[in-house]
Amino acid sequence: EAQVTQNPRYLITVTGKKLTVTCSQNMNHEYMSWYRQDPGLGLRQIYYSMNVEVTDKGDVPEGYKVSRKEKRNFPLILESPSPNQTSLYFCASSVGGRRQETQYFGPGTRLLVL
Amino acid sequence: QKEVEQNSGPLSVPEGAIASLNCTYSDRGSQSFFWYRQYSGKSPELIMFIYSNGDKEDGRFTAQLNKASQYVSLLIRDSQPSDSATYLCAVRDNAGNNRKLIWGLGTSLAVNP
Repeated sequence: EAQVTQNPRYLITVTGKKLTVTCSQNMNHEYMSWYRQDPGLGLRQIYYSMNVEVTDKGDVPEGYKVSRKEKRNFPLILESPSPNQTSLYFCASSVGGRRQETQYFGPGTRLLVL
Repeated sequence: QKEVEQNSGPLSVPEGAIASLNCTYSDRGSQSFFWYRQYSGKSPELIMFIYSNGDKEDGRFTAQLNKASQYVSLLIRDSQPSDSATYLCAVRDNAGNNRKLIWGLGTSLAVNP
C-alpha cells in the first residue's frame, strides 16, 4: 500500500530534550516536506527536500533540522524543543509535474513540549 | 505576500443539499489549485486539483476555476454527513524550485442529517 508513515504519532516531552520525528514514504517520491499546523495559522512549511541530500528552508524553519540521506526517509529533528513548538506535524511527499502536483500526507504527529 | 483566503465557516447545509466552498488567491501567476479535505485530528487528503479555467467534475465534487477573478470553488452535490470536515484550498507557488503549496485556513463544513 502506498503510504507516508510518521513516528511517533503522539509525543510529550520537556523543554530542551532532543527529539526526532521520523517520516518514510514507499512511493519513490523525490519531493518531501514537513509542515506544522496550528489553530488560526493553518499549514506552514518547515523544511522541504527536492531529492537525496538536497534540503532547504520553508517558511518556519527556526528550531528545526532535517536530513535526507535516503530517498524514502526525511526525519525532522528538534535539537532543543521549546513550548512554542507544541503543534501537529505532518510529513508529505509528492509526485507529478509542475501542474499536477499531488501531495500525500502522513498521519501526523501531535507534539506537546512542556 | 502570497495569500489564499477562505471563509472559516462553519458552513452548515442539510443532507442532500449542495455545499459551495469558495477560495480566492492573490498570485495572478498561479497555475495549479487544489482542494483537500481534513477530518478533525487527521491528515489532509486530496479531493481534486484543477489548472484550467472552467469546471472539473469528479463524482459528487465539482471544482470551478476563474483565473481572471482569481477565484476557485468546490461544489459538493448531494451532501452527506460524512462530508462534514474542514476543506482546505491550496495554490501551487511557482516561485523557485520549491513545490510549495500555499494554504488557506480552511472552511469548516457541517452536513446536518
